[in-house]
Amino acid sequence: AQSVTQLDSQVPVFEEAPVELRCNYSSSVSVYLFWYVQYPNQGLQLLLKYLSGSTLVKGINGFEAEFNKSQTSFHLRKPSVHISDTAEYFCAVRNSGYSTLTFGKGTMLLVSP
Amino acid sequence: IAGITQAPTSQILAAGRRMTLRCTQDMRHNAMYWYRQDLGLGLRLIHYSNTAGTTGKGEVPDGYSVSRANTDDFPLTLASAVPSQTSVYFCASSDSGGYTFGSGTRLTVV
Repeated sequence: AQSVTQLDSQVPVFEEAPVELRCNYSSSVSVYLFWYVQYPNQGLQLLLKYLSGSTLVKGINGFEAEFNKSQTSFHLRKPSVHISDTAEYFCAVRNSGYSTLTFGKGTMLLVSP
Repeated sequence: IAGITQAPTSQILAAGRRMTLRCTQDMRHNAMYWYRQDLGLGLRLIHYSNTAGTTGKGEVPDGYSVSRANTDDFPLTLASAVPSQTSVYFCASSDSGGYTFGSGTRLTVV
């Protein structure tokens, strides 16, 4: 079975500061990895995904993530955040042989002026 | 606009009542899913369907049923609602590229 751990439930940060949201996964097989963002009272929007190839993945809104197989991590980073980045961020994993997606419990990113 | 349509947007339901949440996609994706989202628990899979005519149980299937008569529709039914089913429900579909989510149904069982 696969699982996802998001180590921080909340991350407060000031505007224009860098941020890293941490995600670790466990799986016995090859995986696909995803980050989703959820703005208040909205559905989930795909930020970026790792399916294969380069371990550094760039997504929308200036976010990027790096797949580290030895550390089973897929941390999300942004060099300079904006107020509008305030949202909940979910890491998710899917085994390459199956289609169901397992989510972490989410990290609330709180950006203040 | 291609995507997933969920209905209703929100609902208050008396305990013991039957309720069907509707989900329709127009992307011709084979796989569809129902998740519930609860504060501090993230999204948990209720049921899924890899293709029309087949369904499977997810992490939290008890109290819910689904059907997949065709590719586009994947309704979720609560046979006899209980307060612990108060949640936000998201329908999703997928192809090889990833998941597309609906906007959610906020259900309150009182």
